[in-house]
Amino acid sequence: GENVEQHPSTLSVQEGDSAVIKCTYSDSASNYFPWYKQELGKRPQLIIDIRSNVGEKKDQRIAVTLNKTAKHFSLHITETQPEDSAVYFCAAILTGSARQLTFGSGTQLTVLP
Amino acid sequence: DVKVTQSSRYLVKRTGEKVFLECVQDMDHENMFWYRQDPGLGLRLIYFSYDVKMKEKGDIPEGYSVSREKKERFSLILESASTNQTSMYLCASSFGSGSYEQYFGPGTRLTVT
Repeated sequence: GENVEQHPSTLSVQEGDSAVIKCTYSDSASNYFPWYKQELGKRPQLIIDIRSNVGEKKDQRIAVTLNKTAKHFSLHITETQPEDSAVYFCAAILTGSARQLTFGSGTQLTVLP
Repeated sequence: DVKVTQSSRYLVKRTGEKVFLECVQDMDHENMFWYRQDPGLGLRLIYFSYDVKMKEKGDIPEGYSVSREKKERFSLILESASTNQTSMYLCASSFGSGSYEQYFGPGTRLTVT
């Protein structure tokens, strides 16, 4: 089955700096890669996703890049703000198969004022 | 507004007790999921269901069972709770039919003593 590794497990940045979280996946057939954000005490919520036919996707201050050859994808947050502090989870899946999302282990991002 | 609710936010049970965790979604979603969330391990899939009365094992089904008698309700059952099942349990649902975004409930923090 799929295996997703996520790094780093914790990340601290100064407010206004950029943050990058990286994930690698094992199954080259996986073709959908979402990112979820979980604020303290709250439920995870989808913030951005990318499909394998696209190399990059942006939504305001967040972007996701995908390198299919290397089997890794990354979340980029620019101009970080205190409200970006949360745990971020990456995930991967082969759509249309019987498999389900495989999540990474999570990254605790702390934005320091 | 999408809504997934769980029966309890906090639960304390004794070793050997039978435990029921309930999840309800009001979005007419086909798919429902149970995860457990532990620090450093991310979200691990216990069971999922893609239709009423249907269930599939996830990555860590041992010690758990599930029930889905109605489309909107998915129950997780711990037949005989053990201390290693102390965890945060998250329910989620998704529309199905090619839609992979999962909507999560608020979670149940279960402590087994």
